[in-house]
Amino acid sequence: LAKTTQPISMDSYEGQEVNITCSHNNIATNDYITWYQQFPSQGPRFIIQGYKTKVTNEVASLFIPADRKSSTLSLPRVSLSDTAVYYCLVGNTGRRALTFGSGTRLQVQP
Amino acid sequence: ETGVTQTPRHLVMGMTNKKSLKCEQHLGHNAMYWYKQSAKKPLELMFVYNFKEQTENNSVPSRFSPECPNSSHLFLHLHTLQPEDSALYLCASSQGPGNYGYTFGSGTRLTVV
Repeated sequence: LAKTTQPISMDSYEGQEVNITCSHNNIATNDYITWYQQFPSQGPRFIIQGYKTKVTNEVASLFIPADRKSSTLSLPRVSLSDTAVYYCLVGNTGRRALTFGSGTRLQVQP
Repeated sequence: ETGVTQTPRHLVMGMTNKKSLKCEQHLGHNAMYWYKQSAKKPLELMFVYNFKEQTENNSVPSRFSPECPNSSHLFLHLHTLQPEDSALYLCASSQGPGNYGYTFGSGTRLTVV
């Protein structure tokens, strides 16, 4: 499974755009990139998944450069309720389950 | 409600007790998982089931015993636990065991006294 590296924590203010970057230098050809959000004492929630270029949904955008060695989760106009831990995971649709790292703890201030 | 239901939400048990955690999903998923999350630590994968068959056991002590009678139900039987086993136990399901979108339950907060 590809190893991922992301910042331990980030701070932002309400209304700002937040970009969280994840490095995955040894991503394999058939790997997808997936981001999850976790609030305290709850299970993680799937946010977005992509393979290359840009993916956008109602919650976030995911930017993946051509070499796919990194990815950036973009949260537009964050609010206090976006304070959570965000996990970047890389893997394929094979038989191995996903392993979560430490994630990025995002703190949104008023 | 995420589609994955875990019961109970909270559990306090003594070290000599036997208890079970239950997870249920009606999303039509084929894979189910148990994860453990201790305070301030990342999620640890414990067990993986695909089509009712266990496909991964991440070196979990035998005092944790999983059971998957069908693709919709998953249990974690607990016996003679230690205080360090206190944690949030999360169940998840997905279409398959790889990088499909996982749906997690709200977890069971377990305290071993």
